[in-house]
Amino acid sequence: KNEVEQSPQNLTAQEGEFITINCSYSVGISALHWLQQHPGGGIVSLFMLSSGKKKHGRLIATINIQEKHSSLHITASHPRDSAVYICAVRGATNKLIFGTGTLLAVQP
Amino acid sequence: NAGVTQTPKFQVLKTGQSMTLQCAQDMNHNSMYWYRQDPGMGLRLIYYSASEGTTDKGEVPNGYNVSRLNKREFSLRLESAAPSQTSVYFCASSAEQGLRNQPQHFGDGTRLSIL
Repeated sequence: KNEVEQSPQNLTAQEGEFITINCSYSVGISALHWLQQHPGGGIVSLFMLSSGKKKHGRLIATINIQEKHSSLHITASHPRDSAVYICAVRGATNKLIFGTGTLLAVQP
Repeated sequence: NAGVTQTPKFQVLKTGQSMTLQCAQDMNHNSMYWYRQDPGMGLRLIYYSASEGTTDKGEVPNGYNVSRLNKREFSLRLESAAPSQTSVYFCASSAEQGLRNQPQHFGDGTRLSIL
């Protein structure tokens, strides 16, 4: 079993829909990261959080340390949100452990 | 702002050839990383450098060597390329030092094919 599991693996949404991507992990962590990878490959850090909730524009990330679970929400989704969203945790070794990503397609 | 710059962006090699992937960052970051990304798998750490003059193995170091030339530059070398090293390689940097968490900044990747 992978230490970081994301669901769903693939997600198709209509423009304007509210989207949730989930991340569960099985190790103790000091921080959790959400990353975005666009077609063409570049990776951008969206959030780094260790508790509670963070918001940036239409993106919201939450984490529940007790349940070892995080969610990434996108409100009022847009085709430009189409990308792979990657969850990564910083564990006991202080290195990032990455999930396999969620491929999101937002259709107009 | 350049951020993290990787060269080359694409490369095709024959089995047994050698090459060096270059990475430079202009953010004065202490830590630098090399990852590989393969289909169906998460990014995996090859080597990292916590500070200038230090390097350490990650999860998948076999077949690779690295050099932290100075604070800006961190190169990855394949001495004798194998088809299993066909992958997309990402360099990243962060201001992280010790246990202090910081986001990582990624380059655009190098797509490497070994024939």
